[in-house]
Amino acid sequence: NAGVTQTPKFRVLKTGQSMTLLCAQDMNHEYMYWYRQDPGMGLRLIHYSVGEGTTAKGEVPDGYNVSRLKKQNFLLGLESAAPSQTSVYFCASSYPPGGLEQYFGPGTRLTVT
Amino acid sequence: ILNVEQSPQSLHVQEGDSTNFTCSFPSSNFYALHWYRWETAKSPEALFVMTLNGDEKKKGRISATLNTKEGYSYLYIKGSQPEDSATYLCALISNFGNEKLTFGTGTRLTIIP
Repeated sequence: NAGVTQTPKFRVLKTGQSMTLLCAQDMNHEYMYWYRQDPGMGLRLIHYSVGEGTTAKGEVPDGYNVSRLKKQNFLLGLESAAPSQTSVYFCASSYPPGGLEQYFGPGTRLTVT
Repeated sequence: ILNVEQSPQSLHVQEGDSTNFTCSFPSSNFYALHWYRWETAKSPEALFVMTLNGDEKKKGRISATLNTKEGYSYLYIKGSQPEDSATYLCALISNFGNEKLTFGTGTRLTIIP
């Protein structure tokens, strides 16, 4: 089992460019999450999904979109990147209910110049 | 937005000493509490999932207790070793949205050999 994987590991974007981060899990988890991690801020939830075809906003959703077309994949899109979106992005997945532990991917370090 | 607080923010402990730190949360919103261990350059890994008042869980030299009535959890490390150096995160699942976690900002633990 690969667990939770994220693509790419690193990326540098110019302001205004777009990109998609891919998260994949092979544990048949229903729930998937996207977080961002900034110094002194901990992990903040961007968007999440409780099943294929569903998405919901988290704490900091502005500037991001997500899609869950397949159960194993959760995509995070930045339509027009801004320097404020420079961060490390983590994907996680879990079984329902949310009370069960989350499994995290290795992270994607994104820099927007 | 739920307020999950961890203290202290950082801690230096001599190898062999025992230590503990705190996670505080609004008791009226409790559904479950997670503890994660996050080593530098890696992704968070679950330590404990706690759901019942008075719960005490143990994994090797690490243990955690939970008081849902007063809204706190303690994490204890006995006989600290250099490999215990990491950031320890707690995360609350609330009773009005039990599919997502709200993370504290973490306690960064450094073990001094």
